[in-house]
Amino acid sequence: AQKVTQAQTEISVVEKEDVTLDCVYETRDTTYYLFWYKQPPSGELVFLIRRNSFDEQNEISGRYSWNFQKSTSSFNFTITASQVVDSAVYFCALSEARNSGYSTLTFGKGTMLLVSP
Amino acid sequence: GAGVSQSPSNKVTEKGKDVELRCDPISGHTALYWYRQRLGQGLEFLIYFQGNSAPDKSGLPSDRFSAERTGESVSTLTIQRTQQEDSAVYLCASSLNPGLLNTGELFFGEGSRLTVL
Repeated sequence: AQKVTQAQTEISVVEKEDVTLDCVYETRDTTYYLFWYKQPPSGELVFLIRRNSFDEQNEISGRYSWNFQKSTSSFNFTITASQVVDSAVYFCALSEARNSGYSTLTFGKGTMLLVSP
Repeated sequence: GAGVSQSPSNKVTEKGKDVELRCDPISGHTALYWYRQRLGQGLEFLIYFQGNSAPDKSGLPSDRFSAERTGESVSTLTIQRTQQEDSAVYLCASSLNPGLLNTGELFFGEGSRLTVL
């Protein structure tokens, strides 16, 4: 069965600190996708990134960066110079192929990030 | 509309009553998903629609749960004889392509918060 583990339930940092959110996954699929979503207080999940299982290059987008390590089944997310607006719950997710031929996402339990001024 | 719209945003009901939750996906999105998010938990997949058909209903937690989609647009999630354990945020998402391995991401609504007293 697919599984996504986000061991950090809550992280508190002070503005401008760097912070890394951990994600470890389990899958038997050879081809899969990993995602990060942000859920601000409004509740709507916002897509941040998708990474396929064949691309282990790290990715940087502004203050955000992602480290995909297939050998350790991890897909960690780092926010550099955190800001108060980064405060949200962050979910890591793994694509899951269903028998009917489509895919859906298996989500971790999320990490709540609190950035204080 | 510009995004996925869900209604009601909040619903308080008494145990044993039926509730209907509505989702308006992004126009043109053929795939529609329902997820449940219990307090402090990740997202739990409920059901997926490709057009008006639901290829996989195995995520529905019991036969009190049902969903339909019409016109390849609006979807309704119905919970009959609600129980307190049904209290959660019900999130709807849509995407252009049902195969997540071929597309970017799911677009989520802000959810319907259901409280069963």
